[in-house]
Amino acid sequence: GDSVTQMEGPVTLSEEAFLTINCTYTATGYPSLFWYVQYPGEGLQLLLKATKADDKGSNKGFEATYRKETTSFHLEKGSVQVSDSAVYFCALGSASKIIFGSGTRLSIRP
Amino acid sequence: EAGVVQSPRYKIIEKKQPVAFWCNPISGHNTLYWYRQNLGQGPELLIRYENEEAVDDSQLPKDRFSAERLKGVDSTLKIQPAELGDSAVYLCASSSGAGQRIDTQYFGPGTRLTVL
Repeated sequence: GDSVTQMEGPVTLSEEAFLTINCTYTATGYPSLFWYVQYPGEGLQLLLKATKADDKGSNKGFEATYRKETTSFHLEKGSVQVSDSAVYFCALGSASKIIFGSGTRLSIRP
Repeated sequence: EAGVVQSPRYKIIEKKQPVAFWCNPISGHNTLYWYRQNLGQGPELLIRYENEEAVDDSQLPKDRFSAERLKGVDSTLKIQPAELGDSAVYLCASSSGAGQRIDTQYFGPGTRLTVL
């Protein structure tokens, strides 16, 4: 069945470092892809999404490109801030369901 | 615009006791989801409603879990009796889409259940 595999955490970086969180997926058909973020004490929020191959989703300085050839949707940010500390979930949407990865905890040191 | 509201935020019960969670979705959203999120894992869908109809409950453990969405707005998820393994965060989400479309889901803050 459909599934999402993402980089295990925790990931700890210094402020202004470059961030990559890897995500790959297995799906039949053409799913939509998402990154959700969960800040401490808050609910899940949609960070960005892409609905077809080669689409790039972007928000708050984060980007991810839907790569069909490598079945990947890696999350990147050029310069992270302390406020980016959170848990990030990669997810795919297909046939009205969203399937989540297990999450990657990101901690940013000042 | 108010977001998805859930209550209670925290619940501690002893095993074999019943427990219920309540969710009020975003106004106008006809699709409502209940997820369970175990520690260190991503959310897993339990049940999806379109209006008052449960269109996907394949992952709901029906021997002890039940849900309802009367009038197609608020929803309640119940566990009776609770087991130790039910300790998790129960998330409610809503979206404006229906059918096979994947629309953005908006999540509530969740109810953290601890079963002792």
